[in-house]
Amino acid sequence: GEDVEQSLFLSVREGDSSVINCTYTDSSSTYLYWYKQEPGAGLQLLTYIFSNMDMKQDQRLTVLLNKKDKHLSLRIADTQTGDSAIYFCAETLNDYKLSFGAGTTVTVRA
Amino acid sequence: GAVVSQHPSRVICKSGTSVKIECRSLDFQATTMFWYRQFPKQSLMLMATSNEGSKATYEQGVEKDKFLINHASLTLSTLTVASAHPEDSSFYICSAGETGQQETQYFGPGTRLLVL
Repeated sequence: GEDVEQSLFLSVREGDSSVINCTYTDSSSTYLYWYKQEPGAGLQLLTYIFSNMDMKQDQRLTVLLNKKDKHLSLRIADTQTGDSAIYFCAETLNDYKLSFGAGTTVTVRA
Repeated sequence: GAVVSQHPSRVICKSGTSVKIECRSLDFQATTMFWYRQFPKQSLMLMATSNEGSKATYEQGVEKDKFLINHASLTLSTLTVASAHPEDSSFYICSAGETGQQETQYFGPGTRLLVL
């Protein structure tokens, strides 16, 4: 089974904020990632956070990491229709292999 | 950001044929590349780690004689699906990180394989 868990669906109104949550199990994870996948395409690296950080902000994206609870979240401010996609949370150990969650399908409605 | 390409993007073949998929890092060198497989509406599953100049490392349950990996240069890894069967139909995606900066993995656009 998967060690990284995500909710499967999120529907958000255009202009609102989206929050996608993820839990992971391996406390040894050094990096945690958020990837975006549009239909029929590969994965686009959105952002990543080193495990000794609590927060990282990059334009409309804010990543929060609660290492104690092994909880990672991605907040997208001012969500746009182009943000509709599947978002994958992933963790990695020292060998840079990625373990992915099942993905959260984000649908942005007008 | 760095660019990783895959070729072909889509392939349809008859059962029993072999299919080769290329993964290239276009503007950086990668001593290690990873191959993933994704079934429809599912997550990515790591198949193997491709190591430049040495044998690939396969994940548990992945047949190395079925999925042949060659990493002959610092910018190219190939995955050959030997004697493909319909159950091998899937979306195959590679990733690569620049040597020394592998915490940032970039993914190729994927190759959709359909075996009839």
